[in-house]
Amino acid sequence: NAGVTQTPKFQVLKTGQSMTLQCAQDMNHEYMSWYRQDPGMGLRLIHYSVGAGITDQGEVPNGYNVSRSTTEDFPLRLLSAAPSQTSVYFCASSYSTGIAEAFFGQGTRLTVV
Amino acid sequence: RKEVEQDPGPFNVPEGATVAFNCTYSNSASQSFFWYRQDCRKEPKLLMSVYSSGNEDGRFTAQLNRASQYISLLIRDSKLSDSATYLCVVNAGNNRKLIWGLGTSLAVNP
Repeated sequence: NAGVTQTPKFQVLKTGQSMTLQCAQDMNHEYMSWYRQDPGMGLRLIHYSVGAGITDQGEVPNGYNVSRSTTEDFPLRLLSAAPSQTSVYFCASSYSTGIAEAFFGQGTRLTVV
Repeated sequence: RKEVEQDPGPFNVPEGATVAFNCTYSNSASQSFFWYRQDCRKEPKLLMSVYSSGNEDGRFTAQLNRASQYISLLIRDSKLSDSATYLCVVNAGNNRKLIWGLGTSLAVNP
């Protein structure tokens, strides 16, 4: 079972570049989310979606865009990369928000130079 | 006060020891509680949900104390493979988002 597939695993960007982190799940989960994890900060919610066509901001949305055109896919776009966006990014999905197990992708280690 | 607080540790224990972690939460409306495990440079994975009546899964026992607003995780007979960071997760009440603690680091030594 694939679960949550996140690509790429590693990425180095130059300041100002844009890119899209891909996330796909095959569990037919309605709820998907993007987190970033930084030392001493824990997991912080960037954006989330409760279903296709519905997205909302999390705790740290600035500099990121998302869309949810299908149940399966939830890409995260960095509009103009900044060194402050150097982090580990995790995509997660769950059957229901807040009350069900969240399944995570393997993470993307992003470095912005 | 942070919404979810954990002692970061590290907890260094010998194999076979019993170790306990606590996690406090600030939102009295929270309804769902979880312990996740995160290995170094890996994604978090659910260890166990925490029910009002408490629950046990093998060597792991989770308890909820609503009056004092904390959850606990007890690990008995620690194994080397238990070395990881344990994340306390609480749902945020009405909006049902998950709030993550910073994690407690456990190192089990031979």
